[in-house]
Amino acid sequence: TQLLEQSPQFLSIQEGENLTVYCNSSSVFSSLQWYRQEPGEGPVLLVTVVTGGEVKKLKRLTFQFGDARKDSSLHITAAQPGDTGLYLCAGESAYTGFQKLVFGTGTRLLVSP
Amino acid sequence: DSGVTQTPKHLITATGQRVTLRCSPRSGDLSVYWYQQSLDQGLQFLIQYYNGEERAKGNILERFSAQQFPDLHSELNLSSLELGDSALYFCASRGGLAVDTQYFGPGTRLTVL
Repeated sequence: TQLLEQSPQFLSIQEGENLTVYCNSSSVFSSLQWYRQEPGEGPVLLVTVVTGGEVKKLKRLTFQFGDARKDSSLHITAAQPGDTGLYLCAGESAYTGFQKLVFGTGTRLLVSP
Repeated sequence: DSGVTQTPKHLITATGQRVTLRCSPRSGDLSVYWYQQSLDQGLQFLIQYYNGEERAKGNILERFSAQQFPDLHSELNLSSLELGDSALYFCASRGGLAVDTQYFGPGTRLTVL
């Protein structure tokens, strides 16, 4: 059972455009993480959110955790080719088993110059 | 560089064979996680070890087994390999049991012919 659904699955945009990636679940998570993975490499953690309604900013990236802690979004402002990669959300909860991450389906982003 | 090392980087073998994947966690990290990433299933949690003991199990097949040694390195053993076992296998390490970052290694790409 896939607990975390990401949308869109694929996104191809031009440099300078804004975009939002969504991560949704019917389950409540104690924490939610966003990773970026580049071809041939392991996922790299971008951010962890733990409080409902929390907003975190990392340069041009803005992460939000839903009030009910069931969903999250990643917004990128003025995307650059270096943002290209696979974006994964991952959640941790009592339902999944603490310390065990459940990963979302992934969003593959391509930013063209 | 996450500090997590995995060997080998690539492995090509035949159906029915057995292989061992090796992971060395970041210095001081007690927890090791194994994940499988395939195109159709995404990133799936397999198993977790903490300080030498199995802590959590995910979608790990009976043909697969793992262990963590006293020096904290871990091995994932895959036997009676099938074509469908072809995937990227990632190891991640984490310092403790509290909510904390998992650091992923570069992965081992397994191809079963």
